[in-house]
Amino acid sequence: GQNIDQPTEMTATEGAIVQINCTYQTSGFNGLFWYQQHAGEAPTFLSYNVLDGLEEKGRFSSFLSRSKGYSYLLLKELQMKDSASYLCAVRDDGGFKTIFGAGTRLFVKA
Amino acid sequence: DTEVTQTPKHLVMGMTNKKSLKCEQHMGHRAMYWYKQKAKKPPELMFVYSYEKLSINESVPSRFSPECPNSSLLNLHLHALQPEDSALYLCASSHAPTDSSYEQYFGPGTRLTVT
Repeated sequence: GQNIDQPTEMTATEGAIVQINCTYQTSGFNGLFWYQQHAGEAPTFLSYNVLDGLEEKGRFSSFLSRSKGYSYLLLKELQMKDSASYLCAVRDDGGFKTIFGAGTRLFVKA
Repeated sequence: DTEVTQTPKHLVMGMTNKKSLKCEQHMGHRAMYWYKQKAKKPPELMFVYSYEKLSINESVPSRFSPECPNSSLLNLHLHALQPEDSALYLCASSHAPTDSSYEQYFGPGTRLTVT
């Protein structure tokens, strides 16, 4: 079966660092994505990991461990505009099918 | 141009109506997708077109009919929908999986209400 787990909600303070975890069990694996989605808007791409390790892009970093079926998204120097849902998504072996987790709603408070 | 456009932004239709959703991209992507998203839920894949051919249909009811007239356009024809089909319909595009860049670019969506 296909299963992607991430926390439902998280709250953090402006300027802080937050880590959003994602664990997955899928029949195939061809990369893991993180997307950001503000309420009522479309998802926007944040990061892509296909090999183990850390990918850094500005204030955002994403980590992958394929052997553990685990990823995290790290957000540094949090800003109020980072309040959004963060979707972990796994691409299957065939490449076209992306399975999304339920998303983590992040609330950034002043 | 890294934009996927969708029209209309909002659509209200009755259960006996026929309507179409439209999606367009000019990034040279050869894979295009339709997703359905309910409130506070993740996007659910409906259809995938690759090189203008339907490659994935996630057991979607026949009242939804996709069409890919060319490599830049994707339509979703709607007929005899049910109130539970009310949702945000997202179009996305990406390079084909054989390319190095896989991320999907999403359009702003069409907010559909079936009355």
